[in-house]
Amino acid sequence: KAGVTQTPRYLIKTRGQQVTLSCSPISGHRSVSWYQQTPGQGLQFLFEYFSETQRNKGNFPGRFSGRQFSNSRSEMNVSTLELGDSALYLCASSLIERNEQFFGPGTRLTVL
Amino acid sequence: GNSVTQMEGPVTLSEEAFLTINCTYTATGYPSLFWYVQYPGEGLQLLLKATKADDKGSNKGFEATYRKETTSFHLEKGSVQVSDSAVYFCVSTGGGNKLTFGTGTQLKVEL
Repeated sequence: KAGVTQTPRYLIKTRGQQVTLSCSPISGHRSVSWYQQTPGQGLQFLFEYFSETQRNKGNFPGRFSGRQFSNSRSEMNVSTLELGDSALYLCASSLIERNEQFFGPGTRLTVL
Repeated sequence: GNSVTQMEGPVTLSEEAFLTINCTYTATGYPSLFWYVQYPGEGLQLLLKATKADDKGSNKGFEATYRKETTSFHLEKGSVQVSDSAVYFCVSTGGGNKLTFGTGTQLKVEL
């Protein structure tokens, strides 16, 4: 069974630009969550989607948004990029609530 | 909201030494608890889990027991190997599928 895939793996953007990251969950998984990992703040929850609906949201500004498609694939978008948005963005999928989550390899975003 | 506090690293041990990484949590309700591991250059992997009080999770020689009375989920291994060198995260659930991560503990095992 294929794992969680994320594209692209690496991105370099400049301040003010916007970016879209993509995540394909494990087949059959309907919950997709996004996390930001930075050396200073560690791993922080961004949001979770289940059956195309945002079910939970972390404490991030409105520049961070996401969506989920009918095939459970998810995208997250960051608008008006800031230097502090440089991070590893991780996607995780799971089968049912409170079950284990499977993480993708992440997208490394660098904002210059 | 939920929070997780785990032992600061880095931790350096000799091969075959005993490992303990302390973890305590605060939560409303009864969260599930996990240890995730991140090997160098790899993604996060679930190491073990416990879903209710007194459950013991175990995998690859690692163990952790869900202690409700002390709100703890300490990770232990009797004899570490060089290949166990990684960053270990204590994690709790809180509100749907939201995971709350500890800061991570870097473990380095030397020959």
